[in-house]
Amino acid sequence: RKEVEQDPGPFNVPEGATVAFNCTYSNSASQSFFWYRQDCRKEPKLLMSVYSSGNEDGRFTAQLNRASQYISLLIRDSKLSDSATYLCVVGRGGGGNKLTFGTGTQLKVEL
Amino acid sequence: ETGVTQSPTHLIKTRGQQVTLRCSSQSGHNTVSWYQQALGQGPQFIFQYYREEENGRGNFPPRFSGLQFPNYSSELNVNALELDDSALYLCASSSNVGTDTQYFGPGTRLTVL
Repeated sequence: RKEVEQDPGPFNVPEGATVAFNCTYSNSASQSFFWYRQDCRKEPKLLMSVYSSGNEDGRFTAQLNRASQYISLLIRDSKLSDSATYLCVVGRGGGGNKLTFGTGTQLKVEL
Repeated sequence: ETGVTQSPTHLIKTRGQQVTLRCSSQSGHNTVSWYQQALGQGPQFIFQYYREEENGRGNFPPRFSGLQFPNYSSELNVNALELDDSALYLCASSSNVGTDTQYFGPGTRLTVL
């Protein structure tokens, strides 16, 4: 079983739609959680950290469920510019260790 | 504030050769991590450097080695290149070893023929 699992997609959605991505992780000792965005042939860019209390940044909302080891990302009012691969990322906390990435979920927003 | 930079951008090598990739961390960041990203996959952790020493390593063979310099810049060296080493190599820096928040450079795309 992979440490971080995501549905690879692609998710093809019309502009203005709401889309949700899910991710599960296997290591219950994980302490830090992130969503990164990666455009084709570019580096991953930090989108947001994820907390148990949930956090929102404009059209983006992330949620963490530690009991279920489940992370989600909700994008409201999708824009063409949201088209990218979204990577679910888990860390052990305290630095000094690796970030573990899922394989990514591809989003295509269409007119 | 200068972000993470990497060189070269692209590189083509043949099997058996050796390669050195370079990374300059973001201004004020003292911790550097290296990742390998094969096509269609998420990045895989190679190792992390802090205070010029290796501080954590992923499941990569010893022919993958690295260095960190006093100015926090870093090198990744790969010996005896194999075809499967073809990938995007990403460097990420963080403000200190106690944080998992990492910022990535643009990467070096290595092709092994």
